Amino acid sequence: QSVLTQPPSVSAAPGQKVTISCSGSSSNIGNNYVSWYQHLPGTAPKLLIYDNNERPSGIPDRFSGSKSGTSATLGITGLQTGDEADYYCGTWDSSLSSGVFGGGTKLTVL
Amino acid sequence: QVQLRESGPGLVKPSETLSLTCIVSAYSISSGYYWGWIRQPPGKGLEWIGSIYPSGGTYYNPSLKSRVTSSLDTSKNQVSLKVYSVTAADTALYYCATRLVAGSGSWYFDLWGRGTLVTVSS
Repeated sequence: QSVLTQPPSVSAAPGQKVTISCSGSSSNIGNNYVSWYQHLPGTAPKLLIYDNNERPSGIPDRFSGSKSGTSATLGITGLQTGDEADYYCGTWDSSLSSGVFGGGTKLTVL
Repeated sequence: QVQLRESGPGLVKPSETLSLTCIVSAYSISSGYYWGWIRQPPGKGLEWIGSIYPSGGTYYNPSLKSRVTSSLDTSKNQVSLKVYSVTAADTALYYCATRLVAGSGSWYFDLWGRGTLVTVSS
């Protein structure tokens, strides 16, 4: 059971928008920055968002992040078939003194 | 460009020690913010194992702290991880990752390797 809770799967049509939620608590998301990763099986996970809403160089602005209270959200607009992947949120948990990840969300672009 | 490549035994017997190496290309491990290890058991999510700073300072997941050690070999530009007394629960895809860019004090990894699968079985 992951410390951060994500929906197991989401789906949307090409060109549409999708959001992926990540729910935690005051010891993790509530008081620490959140990051998001894209993972296609067999490849290296890729950082999409750090510090709640910052994009690394090279990540298109179709990807966005937000945080409110003890929850965070990854948004993806203009969905493409190449966006089909597993998405993970991550943050530090101050009570556990440990980095923690969500269980992952599988995105299907129908 | 900077690349990380994990190297491991593939198969380890229960109760033995798992030794993994992260080979870093095009970047000195004496630089960067920190170097880390993350694993993913089959069908499950990501689990942070620990991180090591260029200074040698380490932070480990409390659930694994008693059984893991990470170290730096600057002569080979490699990061190592040892997991002691392994069980079937240690079967996972093991990733090496790093945060190259300093800045805010937040926790994340901006570059990952492709991972190496380790199976614990007799």
